[in-house]
Amino acid sequence: AQSVAQPEDQVNVAEGNPLTVKCTYSVSGNPYLFWYVQYPNRGLQFLLKYITGDNLVKGSYGFEAEFNKSQTSFHLKKPSALVSDSALYFCAVRESASKIIFGSGTRLSIRP
Amino acid sequence: DTGVSQDPRHKITKRGQNVTFRCDPISEHNRLYWYRQTLGQGPEFLTYFQNEAQLEKSRLLSDRFSAERPKGSFSTLEIQRTEQGDSAMYLCASSLAGSQFAQETQYFGPGTRLLVL
Repeated sequence: AQSVAQPEDQVNVAEGNPLTVKCTYSVSGNPYLFWYVQYPNRGLQFLLKYITGDNLVKGSYGFEAEFNKSQTSFHLKKPSALVSDSALYFCAVRESASKIIFGSGTRLSIRP
Repeated sequence: DTGVSQDPRHKITKRGQNVTFRCDPISEHNRLYWYRQTLGQGPEFLTYFQNEAQLEKSRLLSDRFSAERPKGSFSTLEIQRTEQGDSAMYLCASSLAGSQFAQETQYFGPGTRLLVL
């Protein structure tokens, strides 16, 4: 079965500093990986996905993610954090035609 | 707004009552999904439809849960005889089926938060 792990429950970053939210995956076959963001009392918003091709994937709101096959990681990054980036971030992997398996989430807090 | 919409956004009910939630997907999307999210956890897959056909159900979907998508457009999720453990956020998502499922992106609605007293 496919799975993802988010080792950090919370990440704290100062505004303007680079941020990284970590995700590792375990899959059989090709990995299809996603990042979603969830603001308070809202549904999930799609940020980006990795299907194949370039290891650096660019997404919404200035976020990017780096796919690393040897380390089985798919970390989310942003060069300069904004206070408005504070939210809950989920890494996910596609398990089947229908099902996406989500990680437990990482709460990102950006202090002014 | 052409995104996924869900109604109601919040529902408080007493244990033993039935509740029904509605999801309206993005108009051209033929796949629709239901997920459940409890506090501090990521969403968990419940079921999915392609057009009006329900093609997969999770073991999380007990006999008290039923979902329909009668005309291949909106969907309803009903919970009968609610229990306190049903308290959660119920999320709906939709996608457009393509030749390669891996390319599909699921777009989520704002969710319905259920509290069972």
